[in-house]
Amino acid sequence: DGGITQSPKYLFRKEGQNVTLSCEQNLNHDAMYWYRQDPGQGLRLIYYSQIVNDFQKGDIAEGYSVSREKKESFPLTVTSAQKNPTAFYLCASSKGSDADTQYFGPGTRLTVL
Amino acid sequence: GENVEQHPSTLSVQEGDSAVIKCTYSDSASNYFPWYKQELGKRPQLIIDIRSNVGEKKDQRIAVTLNKTAKHFSLHITETQPEDSAVYFCAATYEYSSASKIIFGSGTRLSIRP
Repeated sequence: DGGITQSPKYLFRKEGQNVTLSCEQNLNHDAMYWYRQDPGQGLRLIYYSQIVNDFQKGDIAEGYSVSREKKESFPLTVTSAQKNPTAFYLCASSKGSDADTQYFGPGTRLTVL
Repeated sequence: GENVEQHPSTLSVQEGDSAVIKCTYSDSASNYFPWYKQELGKRPQLIIDIRSNVGEKKDQRIAVTLNKTAKHFSLHITETQPEDSAVYFCAATYEYSSASKIIFGSGTRLSIRP
């Protein structure tokens, strides 16, 4: 999982702003994922992508958007439509989508001011 | 719908004792069951996984057992040490028409008492 990075580590957003979280991997993995983790909670899937230029909504996609223009990159935009965005965001990747191990990035902690 | 239930939510054991965390899943087609350890403020890290064609797997002090008939699997940590204190997540795959997803349990906060 050392080959998957996220930036920034901490991010502060004012209400009404869109912000973009970066996720990059050099593992040559086809599949990438975004999860949201709230304090003391588990991981909830926001979006996932199995191949370039294709992605699917997860369980809590409302207020978020993604793109997958390159295999290595899967940025997540938290839009102003997301009413409670303060959380820890984790990106993950796997070789494929078929029961493969997911490796996580170090996470981005987003706080709304 | 798909669901992974994990118990207990918190667990405290004396250093040197064993810890057991249990999970159940709902999709009989699930075939991959990873376990992750997450220390405070850090990323989840894979510690062990098991596929549906085996019933048990061990790696030093950690073992996982799988009962496909009952649709449950468990993590066993023996001779616990202070560095085992963390949150542990189980997960199971669910198959869809075009892909599979991993669904995570809600986590178990394990504390090791000195």
